[in-house]
Amino acid sequence: DQQVKQNSPSLSVQEGRISILNCDYTNSMFDYFLWYKKYPAEGPTFLISISSIKDKNEDGRFTVFLNKSAKHLSLHIVPSQPGDSAVYFCAAYFGGSGMRFGAGTRLTVKP
Amino acid sequence: DGGITQSPKYLFRKEGQNVTLSCEQNLNHDAMYWYRQDPGQGLRLIYYSQIVNDFQKGDIAEGYSVSREKKESFPLTVTSAQKNPTAFYLCASSSQVGGYEQYFGPGTRLTVT
Repeated sequence: DQQVKQNSPSLSVQEGRISILNCDYTNSMFDYFLWYKKYPAEGPTFLISISSIKDKNEDGRFTVFLNKSAKHLSLHIVPSQPGDSAVYFCAAYFGGSGMRFGAGTRLTVKP
Repeated sequence: DGGITQSPKYLFRKEGQNVTLSCEQNLNHDAMYWYRQDPGQGLRLIYYSQIVNDFQKGDIAEGYSVSREKKESFPLTVTSAQKNPTAFYLCASSSQVGGYEQYFGPGTRLTVT
């Protein structure tokens, strides 16, 4: 049962433009959401997070938006840079549980 | 430097053999986790541990076993009962259960033939 879904396996954008990565979840008990960035054959690295009591969190070029009624969150990267090319995982959890991850979206930023 | 160590990076085993993957952290984190990643899929939770001598099954625990005898160590044994053991295995830790942020090791790619 996939509780966290990333329906776009890949995304390609031009350098300098906005990248928007989307994520949907089914478990209404999730109260914390995170985005991780991953390069091949490495462990994921934490990027940005958001609590369910907020609808937006910003950190430099990265902004995460949460729409609880739609059970949807998105990651915006502005402006996109070639170094942002990686696989991005959406993750969610609620207290005392392990984290659940989406399948990932491979972002390619073209120079 | 603080971090999580997984060794070896690549591991090869014959079918029918048990194999143990190492995970060590010096972050003084209480909680530790094991995930498995398969091509085209996200990370799936195998086991997690909140404190020493305690652990819980994740979503895909069948065919795996763990122990948590020390705070800094959380080894994962892939048993012969695991039907599809070939995968990329990731260990993570966090300062409390659930994380807010989980820190990941570099992973071990296990190939069973």
